[in-house]
Amino acid sequence: DAGITQSPRHKVTETGTPVTLRCHQTENHRYMYWYRQDPGHGLRLIHYSYGVKDTDKGEVSDGYSVSRSKTEDFLLTLESATSSQTSVYFCAISGQYNEQFFGPGTRLTVL
Amino acid sequence: DAKTTQPPSMDCAEGRAANLPCNHSTISGNEYVYWYRQIHSQGPQYIIHGLKNNETNEMASLIITEDRKSSTLILPHATLRDTAVYYCIVRVPYNQGGKLIFGQGTELSVKP
Repeated sequence: DAGITQSPRHKVTETGTPVTLRCHQTENHRYMYWYRQDPGHGLRLIHYSYGVKDTDKGEVSDGYSVSRSKTEDFLLTLESATSSQTSVYFCAISGQYNEQFFGPGTRLTVL
Repeated sequence: DAKTTQPPSMDCAEGRAANLPCNHSTISGNEYVYWYRQIHSQGPQYIIHGLKNNETNEMASLIITEDRKSSTLILPHATLRDTAVYYCIVRVPYNQGGKLIFGQGTELSVKP
């Protein structure tokens, strides 16, 4: 695996609570991505980062914010979790040929 | 963004070659074709990518037609561990963040 870890791996939370997911890489890659995966939708891009403090929105960014204060960490925050944000979240980093390497995923359940 | 079309499912006998087709008729001249696979509950795994020439690595071969409107991923000797969903993706230009747009993929079942 390409040196990507995600934490936590599983989380159960209640509607309205804030949640932060962490993606950590040891590869010193510039680009990092957050996706969510739901049945019937495949993987959908939430946000991505092209450097420290440089981020942009993906196709399903509403309700999510991100931060990248260090090259190795990319944080995804749900300010006020909703049941529609129950999903599996994957982080990815981009290699030298823009092939993306994915983390193991975080399974989030919002009750 | 160029879209891709893949069959929803395919079967393959263990030990035989698995040929997974993909149509990408609206691909632009500078867009690459990438293939990933996802084994149940794991993160997607990069397999191979190409622009116009055929490519081979330790996992698979990628055959791209001369007009670049379609491609085929070949797993030369499929094993049970190759059972997965395979995604064919066209990469948007790098200055747009190199985002990968995942479709529904092909669910490959390798049977003994």
